[in-house]
Amino acid sequence: NAGVTQTPKFRILKIGQSMTLQCTQDMNHNYMYWYRQDPGMGLKLIYYSVGAGITDKGEVPNGYNVSRSTTEDFPLRLELAAPSQTSVYFCASSYSGLAGVYSEQYFGPGTRLTVT
Amino acid sequence: TQLLEQSPQFLSIQEGENLTVYCNSSSVFSSLQWYRQEPGEGPVLLVTVVTGGEVKKLKRLTFQFGDARKDSSLHITAAQPGDTGLYLCAGRYNTDKLIFGTGTRLQVFP
Repeated sequence: NAGVTQTPKFRILKIGQSMTLQCTQDMNHNYMYWYRQDPGMGLKLIYYSVGAGITDKGEVPNGYNVSRSTTEDFPLRLELAAPSQTSVYFCASSYSGLAGVYSEQYFGPGTRLTVT
Repeated sequence: TQLLEQSPQFLSIQEGENLTVYCNSSSVFSSLQWYRQEPGEGPVLLVTVVTGGEVKKLKRLTFQFGDARKDSSLHITAAQPGDTGLYLCAGRYNTDKLIFGTGTRLQVFP
């Protein structure tokens, strides 16, 4: 298993440009998440999904969009990049079966995004 | 909005020293996890604690969950350079989302 893969690893955007961060997992996990991590800080949840076709906002969703058309893929879209979106973005996945029982979250290697 | 405060924010110690990292919240967790993150990589789970007062050991690392399930600590005995990294606590408050702490950056010098 490759686990959680993210592309690209690095990207520089100009203000106002758009891009999609890709995330794929091969563990058949139903939950997927997008986090951002600013320098020296913890992770803030942007969006998450409990299964194909279902997404919900996290703590910091403004400026981002997501979709979940398959179990494996959970892309994150930035429509109008702003300097405040300069950060490292992590995708994660986990499994939840019985109500209230969650597996650990498995993280991808991250995408380092700079908006100038 | 729930907040998880970690302390200290930075810790720089010599190999062989002991240290403790704290994670505090004003709300009760249903469960709490500790992750370690190395530069250029995503966080990796170290442990999950669920029961108030629970203590778990992972080699030289000891994790404790407060009796009231509002706080947790991570104690490292005889730290080694390989322990260097960012330590993150993450709490679940009866939801399907984790709230991550502010992080403790540990540097262990040989």
